[in-house]
This record gives sequence, structure tokens and C-alpha cells, in this order.
Amino acid sequence: SQQGEEDPQALSIQEGENATMNCSYKTSINNLQWYRQNSGRGLVHLILIRSNEREKHSGRLRVTLDTSKKSSSLLITASRAADTASYFCATDNNNAGNMLTFGGGTRLMVKP
Amino acid sequence: DAGVIQSPRHEVTEMGQEVTLRCKPISGHNSLFWYRQTMMRGLELLIYFNNNVPIDDSGMPEDRFSAKMPNASFSTLKIQPSEPRDSAVYFCASSFGASSEGEQFFGPGTRLTVL
Repeated sequence: SQQGEEDPQALSIQEGENATMNCSYKTSINNLQWYRQNSGRGLVHLILIRSNEREKHSGRLRVTLDTSKKSSSLLITASRAADTASYFCATDNNNAGNMLTFGGGTRLMVKP
Repeated sequence: DAGVIQSPRHEVTEMGQEVTLRCKPISGHNSLFWYRQTMMRGLELLIYFNNNVPIDDSGMPEDRFSAKMPNASFSTLKIQPSEPRDSAVYFCASSFGASSEGEQFFGPGTRLTVL
């Protein structure tokens, strides 16, 4: 199974609401990253959080990391229709070199 | 900078044909990654180069797949012979430094359809 697994697989909300996506992983990590993918496009990096950090903010994005639970969450506040996309977490794997393993993603739909 | 460039953007071929996908990483980046994305298996890392040297190719499905990076500005992923199950979107990504130290920049992808 993949190192990072997102939950839920799909999420539908109204514009203005907050969207929370979760990611769980299995092995120890150096950092965890979140990416966004619009339909038909490549992935775009959103934010990186290191293993010694617990929370990080970037605009309307808030990421938390709990290494004891091996989980992370991505919160998008005041969502907009333009936030509609798939969101992926990606983890490195200390035992497999410096490569990233991506989860299955959460498909977010924000209805106007 | 134009970002990561991939060609072709779309490829339709018949089973048994050779397919070559191309990638030009961002100038100055020394790590390059090839991924495959399908609905069934999600995003899979196929191979990772660092300073033009293949570091890990354990994700390459089988001997029909091969990848090269003859110089810092060009990489190819070849499938020979192609099969219908190879149909997917293939992404190339590049980064500076070891992958986990920073973000990866993805190209627009090549959508491959093998009939």
C-alpha cells in the first residue's frame, strides 16, 4: 500500500466553507508535502512541513503534522470554486532513499 | 523559466509499437523523476535520476520500460513494445537537491493511449 493515504477520497462543500483533508503514513519521515492537481494538469506544490514542525500556514492553507500518530491534515479556509482540484500528500521514506511517495489523493469539489 | 517541458502532450499508438516520451527539466535542477498516473493505481514513481544518474528504478514495471538521461537538460522514457495496460498519464518532475529537501516541479504530462 502507499506510504501516504488521504482521507476522505472525495469531498464536496459549498463555497465559503472550510475543507479538511487528512493524510496517514506508515514509516518515519523527514518531511511531508501537500500538492494540488487540477484536472488534466501536473501537480503543483502547496506546502512542505518538516518532521520537527507541528503546524504551518500559507495564505488560506493550514497544515498540521502529528508524527506520533503519523498523520497530517490540510485545511483550506473560506474555500472558493477555484479550489476544486485533487489534493495529494507526499512523504519521503527514510528507508528508501530521498524519493517521494504520493497518496491516492482527495478530490475536492467546491460548489459556487 | 518555462517550467518542466514534456512532449508529446498526447500520444495514441497501437499495441506493439515503440513509444518515446521526452522531458526537459527546469534549468539548474539536478533531480528528475518519471511518474505514471492511472485511476486504478494513482501516482507511481517509475524512476529517479540525480545528476543524470539513475538512482532508483525499482518502480519501472518491467523490461519493456527504459529511461535515459544523457545530459542535465533532457530525459526520455521509452516503452517497447507498448501494451494497452500502459495507457496512463506520464509525468516528469524535477527538483533541486535530493527530492525530499524541496518541492518537485511537475510537467503537464503526456497522456498515452495504447490501442
